[in-house]
Amino acid sequence: DAKTTQPNSMESNEEEPVHLPCNHSTISGTDYIHWYRQLPSQGPEYVIHGLTSNVNNRMASLAIAEDRKSSTLILHRATLRDAAVYYCIRGSQGNLIFGKGTKLSVKP
Amino acid sequence: ETGVTQTPRHLVMGMTNKKSLKCEQHLGHNAMYWYKQSAKKPLELMFVYNFKEQTENNSVPSRFSPECPNSSHLFLHLHTLQPEDSALYLCASSPGTSGDTNTGELFFGEGSRLTVL
Repeated sequence: DAKTTQPNSMESNEEEPVHLPCNHSTISGTDYIHWYRQLPSQGPEYVIHGLTSNVNNRMASLAIAEDRKSSTLILHRATLRDAAVYYCIRGSQGNLIFGKGTKLSVKP
Repeated sequence: ETGVTQTPRHLVMGMTNKKSLKCEQHLGHNAMYWYKQSAKKPLELMFVYNFKEQTENNSVPSRFSPECPNSSHLFLHLHTLQPEDSALYLCASSPGTSGDTNTGELFFGEGSRLTVL
């Protein structure tokens, strides 16, 4: 049981921001929120993770709700290379339970 | 290129064969993992090794036998597999051990695509 809920698929236009939502209403106080993505024919790739505060890195931003029951991964300017399945995962690194993720399509 | 190398990339085997998958990382990581990704199913965590010691076995059938001779190498020995074992087998490593909550990042290899006939 992944214990997170994500839309099955989303579409975006190239060069526009993308907001990928995730619900984790039963998250515990010590669970981190991790995001990975998987491009076709590749293994998953780490994107970002956080606990309570919003986080930014070169790939994306992670906005975490104040009650921690939901979060949003933000890609500031989508490119065609961002087309992938995005996984939102709660837990610790040694026990990451992947769900089905959100398949992001990016249109030129 | 994540620094985690898996061989072979593709493997076809019969149900009576014995084969092995290999994973190698020279990132200095302390933990290594095997995941299974079947078609249209989420990734499933199979085994976890911290400092060469197995710390997790998620009810994996005994026809899958992991081996971790050192912290840089991880094997998955396969014998008498079933067609439903056909899947992408992914190896990953992480800097901290699996009990660390804040060392976040898993580095995945590109996987070994296994087909069991």
